[in-house]
Amino acid sequence: KQEVTQIPAALSVPEGENLVLNCSFTDSAIYNLQWFRQDPGKGLTSLLLIQSSQREQTSGRLNASLDKSSGRSTLYIAASQPGDSATYLCAVRSGGSYIPTFGRGTSLIVHP
Amino acid sequence: SAVISQKPSRDICQRGTSLTIQCQVDSQVTMMFWYRQQPGQSLTLIATANQGSEATYESGFVIDKFPISRPNLTFSTLTVSNMSPEDSSIYLCSVEREPLQGYTFGSGTRLTVV
Repeated sequence: KQEVTQIPAALSVPEGENLVLNCSFTDSAIYNLQWFRQDPGKGLTSLLLIQSSQREQTSGRLNASLDKSSGRSTLYIAASQPGDSATYLCAVRSGGSYIPTFGRGTSLIVHP
Repeated sequence: SAVISQKPSRDICQRGTSLTIQCQVDSQVTMMFWYRQQPGQSLTLIATANQGSEATYESGFVIDKFPISRPNLTFSTLTVSNMSPEDSSIYLCSVEREPLQGYTFGSGTRLTVV
């Protein structure tokens, strides 16, 4: 059974810092990994999708990497801003299942 | 990616009543997923809804409490029945529009039961 862990659970940083959020998974037989952002009381917004054959994906100040063999993904946020404050979730789509497995998320606060 | 319209965005309900949440997708999809997110927790899958058949419920969730309809390939509803304060959560619908192309979520329904 796939298990997904996100570290750290919470993070508070001053504006302008470069950040690394971590996601690890136990079963490397995955189709893809997806990073989401969730604002309080809201739905999930997809940030980046990495297919199992890819090493990384970039969108603006966001870069996500995938090391399938070691069961890890990182989300890199460059030059953080207060508007980046949210919870970040990673979800893994494993082989043999159409239901993704979610981590518990990293709650990020970027203060001015 | 798919666009999902979810209603209502929030509601405050009396215990013992029911609330129906709607999700409308801008394209036809085979499966729709319904999740619950309790305060401070990650997402828990309630059920998977396929058009033309009964929903498949996850362990701990039953049809009498969370009836689901899926009348066509773009629409689904989830009803939270006989509500109690423990049902206070965010409820989310989700689809995988194209196989292995990632998931899209509705904007969520924030339910408070008093």
